[in-house]
Amino acid sequence: KQEVTQIPAALSVPEGENLVLNCSFTDSAIYNLQWFRQDPGKGLTSLLLIQSSQREQTSGRLNASLDKSSGRSTLYIAASQPGDSATYLCAVSNTGNQFYFGTGTSLTVIP
Amino acid sequence: GAVVSQHPSWVICKSGTSVKIECRSLDFQATTMFWYRQFPKQSLMLMATSNEGSKATYEQGVEKDKFLINHASLTLSTLTVTSAHPEDSSFYICSAPIAGRTDTQYFGPGTRLTVL
Repeated sequence: KQEVTQIPAALSVPEGENLVLNCSFTDSAIYNLQWFRQDPGKGLTSLLLIQSSQREQTSGRLNASLDKSSGRSTLYIAASQPGDSATYLCAVSNTGNQFYFGTGTSLTVIP
Repeated sequence: GAVVSQHPSWVICKSGTSVKIECRSLDFQATTMFWYRQFPKQSLMLMATSNEGSKATYEQGVEKDKFLINHASLTLSTLTVTSAHPEDSSFYICSAPIAGRTDTQYFGPGTRLTVL
């Protein structure tokens, strides 16, 4: 069964810093990987989706990379802002259907 | 873009009662939908796969008689928590891929269930 781990569990940075969130998964035969943002008590906001054939995706200040062979993905956030404070979830799918979620990284950006 | 809605967004009920949560794909058809739950300070865990016109498949450890799933149409799946107890209090989220496609999924906004 696919297991997804995210490190660190919590991260606090001053505004303006660049930061990297890490995600690792045990089964490298994935179909795709997705990064989500979750605000307290809210649902999921999809940030970036990387298909298994891709190595990275970018959207604005966000860049996600995928190294399928080593079972790793990173989410890079440039020039962090207080509004980026949230929990970031990494999720992988082996079939393109159900996702296996990581434990999340709780990010706090200090003004 | 494609939208998935859930109703209700939050519900409070007494222990022993049953609660129904709806998941709808608003502008696309979904032959399959997925139900997840999230306990406080934990990540989302897949509960079951809802299949239109057939029985749902449940993940290990999820009681199928307690969490009844009905996928009655190509746009609607319902999750009924029967005889709810406080330990069932959780955040329930559904997701759906567009029928015939596996390149992306759309997640509902979630339903927060509190059982007193």
